[in-house]
Amino acid sequence: AQSVAQPEDQVNVAEGNPLTVKCTYSVSGNPYLFWYVQYPNRGLQFLLKYITGDNLVKGSYGFEAEFNKSQTSFHLKKPSALVSDSALYFCAVRDFRRSYNTDKLIFGTGTRLQVFP
Amino acid sequence: DGGITQSPKYLFRKEGQNVTLSCEQNLNHDAMYWYRQDPGQGLRLIYYSQIVNDFQKGDIAEGYSVSREKKESFPLTVTSAQKNPTAFYLCASSIRETANTGELFFGEGSRLTVL
Repeated sequence: AQSVAQPEDQVNVAEGNPLTVKCTYSVSGNPYLFWYVQYPNRGLQFLLKYITGDNLVKGSYGFEAEFNKSQTSFHLKKPSALVSDSALYFCAVRDFRRSYNTDKLIFGTGTRLQVFP
Repeated sequence: DGGITQSPKYLFRKEGQNVTLSCEQNLNHDAMYWYRQDPGQGLRLIYYSQIVNDFQKGDIAEGYSVSREKKESFPLTVTSAQKNPTAFYLCASSIRETANTGELFFGEGSRLTVL
């Protein structure tokens, strides 16, 4: 079964420092991977996705993610954190099985990013 | 502007009552989804529908029901059989088939509290 894991419940970083939010995946076949961000009492906003191609994917708000097939990871990164980046971040993998008429996203448990001034 | 509208944003319910959460989209998307969010558990899929008049159970469908009579609408009913209904409910939609990379577009959510 497809799954993702976010091993850290919370990540703390000082403003201006680089940040990394970790995600590992388990899939059969080629993975479609996503990162979303959620601000308090709001819906999820799409940040970026990996479908195929370059292992470094660039997304919204200066975020990027590195796809590593050998380590089955898809970590979210940003070179310089902002206080406004403080939010809940979700990694997700697509579960697409045509023979079972299945097409959905499976989400990790989320990582809370706290950026301190 | 195109988007997904969920209503109400906040809802209070007494135990034993059914409640229906509304989700409407004007993105012309074929597929629609309902997720439940609880602290520390991430998002869990309740139901989804890939086409009008068809829907499938997700991982936690017990105590919930849905309908998909129109492409734009996918209401979720939380029945009295749902043992722990207090949660944040998120509706999402996506394009289907060849144009679809799986990306979901989310509404702003509905917070249900059972008193």
